[in-house]
Amino acid sequence: DTEVTQTPKHLVMGMTNKKSLKCEQHMGHRAMYWYKQKAKKPPELMFVYSYEKLSINESVPSRFSPECPNSSLLNLHLHALQPEDSALYLCASSQLELNNQPQHFGDGTRLSIL
Amino acid sequence: AQTVTQSQPEMSVQEAETVTLSCTYDTSESDYYLFWYKQPPSRQMILVIRQEAYKQQNATENRFSVNFQKAAKSFSLKISDSQLGDAAMYFCAYLSGNTGKLIFGQGTTLQVKP
Repeated sequence: DTEVTQTPKHLVMGMTNKKSLKCEQHMGHRAMYWYKQKAKKPPELMFVYSYEKLSINESVPSRFSPECPNSSLLNLHLHALQPEDSALYLCASSQLELNNQPQHFGDGTRLSIL
Repeated sequence: AQTVTQSQPEMSVQEAETVTLSCTYDTSESDYYLFWYKQPPSRQMILVIRQEAYKQQNATENRFSVNFQKAAKSFSLKISDSQLGDAAMYFCAYLSGNTGKLIFGQGTTLQVKP
């Protein structure tokens, strides 16, 4: 069982839809991450939240809007996405106090844009 | 900038045999950590093994061990007594102690033959 839970597991949406991806962890981690992964490619970092504040935005288009309501939850709001945004979206978390701690990943949300 | 290179896109091994996956990295940082992650078709990214750069001793986790050559910036993964469940894509990853960013290699797909 994964300690980082992502919902939904699959999502199909049109380019004009608005949807949200959710991520939850109860390990007491204070850093949370969003990655985008294309098939047979490594994950690409999108956003990092540290103590519920956005610390890194890797020049992600504004049609992706992250939100961290509390230390256990991380959302990714989607609006007006493009077909090239179809990918696996992975959430991860890690302890913040020690940078040498590994990131723990969820199962991901498979997103398809029609 | 830090880079991670996995030169073997695909590898195969016979069940119960030993296989070594290669990884090299480039960095000017002194504070960093290295990981191997496994991603089976079920898509969850699973931590296999970790290595602190300041430790000379190679990390070992059951059937998994690393050969860490700091001067050569090499970090290979050895899987002993390969099992069918080891079939997956393996990613080498570099964690910067300065930025906290996790940088992945391109991945190696491992096939285990019965």
